[in-house]
Formats: sequence, structure tokens, C-alpha cells
Amino acid sequence: NAGVTQTPKFQVLKTGQSMTLQCAQDMNHNSMYWYRQDPGMGLRLIYYSASEGTTDKGEVPNGYNVSRLNKREFSLRLESAAPSQTSVYFCASSERQGGSNQPQHFGDGTRLSIL
Amino acid sequence: AQKITQTQPGMFVQEKEAVTLDCTYDTSDQSYGLFWYKQPSSGEMIFLIYQGSYDEQNATEGRYSLNFQKARKSANLVISASQLGDSAMYFCAMRLYNFNKFYFGSGTKLNVKP
Repeated sequence: NAGVTQTPKFQVLKTGQSMTLQCAQDMNHNSMYWYRQDPGMGLRLIYYSASEGTTDKGEVPNGYNVSRLNKREFSLRLESAAPSQTSVYFCASSERQGGSNQPQHFGDGTRLSIL
Repeated sequence: AQKITQTQPGMFVQEKEAVTLDCTYDTSDQSYGLFWYKQPSSGEMIFLIYQGSYDEQNATEGRYSLNFQKARKSANLVISASQLGDSAMYFCAMRLYNFNKFYFGSGTKLNVKP
């Protein structure tokens, strides 16, 4: 099925470790996003990429870096994981701006625990 | 600045009844889109319905309809004939037409009682 694929689905890290969350979409979308969702809360935007070659900070970028590897792939890196980064991470994609009524399509999420 | 407000953290509804989930938004832009998403306990985000700011009619998708009141800046989701499978978190979101960012509300947790 077409959609957004995130890997891994689950991960446990120790404080200070680094890791990269991978995201790929096969819908030929220009825009991609990374969100975090803490228990019982809404989505907070970490970073987004309007198109290949561009990235912009969202609401909560500190402690994260991103790479838009190509049109399909957008990765999120935690350089030195902290317990405050324990969360569920969602990747999403959408068509670019310009009167678009296209929604975001989401991956299934990565559940990340940092001890 | 753009903002989405969902004032109902949790709601209960009896199976087969209709329920309205509230969403108000704040923007000075005239061109925008409004979206509702469902997040069941399994965690995935499911797109439900869309309303454009220039759409004259309220959007409908099966049992979902959007009560759009532009002057009041509200975009409430109406679920008719609730089913047990409707129990989930529901998020309202907004996108400005000339920007790529989506703005999400804090969500409403709906519980459907048998």
C-alpha cells in the first residue's frame, strides 16, 4: 500500500546515545514533516521540509536535526538523547502549498523511550 | 499567529447517537483549509474530512460532517450514529494555503458507550 513508512517502530535508548529515525513516502509528495506526540497531548512540529533541499524549524527543534535525503526520504536525528525526548514520533507528508486541499498522510509512528 | 483550540478534552456519547466535537481557529488569513483526523488507541493518524475556507457548503464524508461557521471561526465535527469503533482521539488542524505548515489542536478523546 502507498503511504508513509517509518522505521523503527519501537526503540529504547540510554541517555546520551544517538539515533536516526527514518521516514520514506511513495506518494511523490513535496513536503515532509516530523512531529512528536507526548502522552495525552497533541502533535508538536519538530522540523519540516517544504521541498527537496529545504528544511525549516518547527515548534520544538532543540535537540534534533533533520536531513531531506531526496524527495522520498526525511530523517530525524537525535544526537544526544535525553529523557525529555521520550515520545511518539510521527512522520507525515503532503502536497505542497498553493490552494491545496490535500491532507497530511502520516506514518504509524516510532515509540521512543530514553532511559 | 495561527491557533487551533479544542476545548473538550474528553467526551462520552451513547452508541447510535450523534456527537459534536468543537474546534475553533484563529487566523487573519482568508485562504485556509481545515482538517479533522482520528487517532484510535492503536496510534495511527487517520484523515477524516476537509473544509476549505471558500467552500460554501459544509463538507460531508459518510457519517462525518463538518459544521463550518466562518464568521465564528469554528469548524465542528459531527459524527452521526456513533459506533463503538469511533472511540478515539480526534484532532482538528488548519493549513494556510500559501504555507506548508499544519497547525493542530490538542485533541478531544471520544468514548462511545454501548
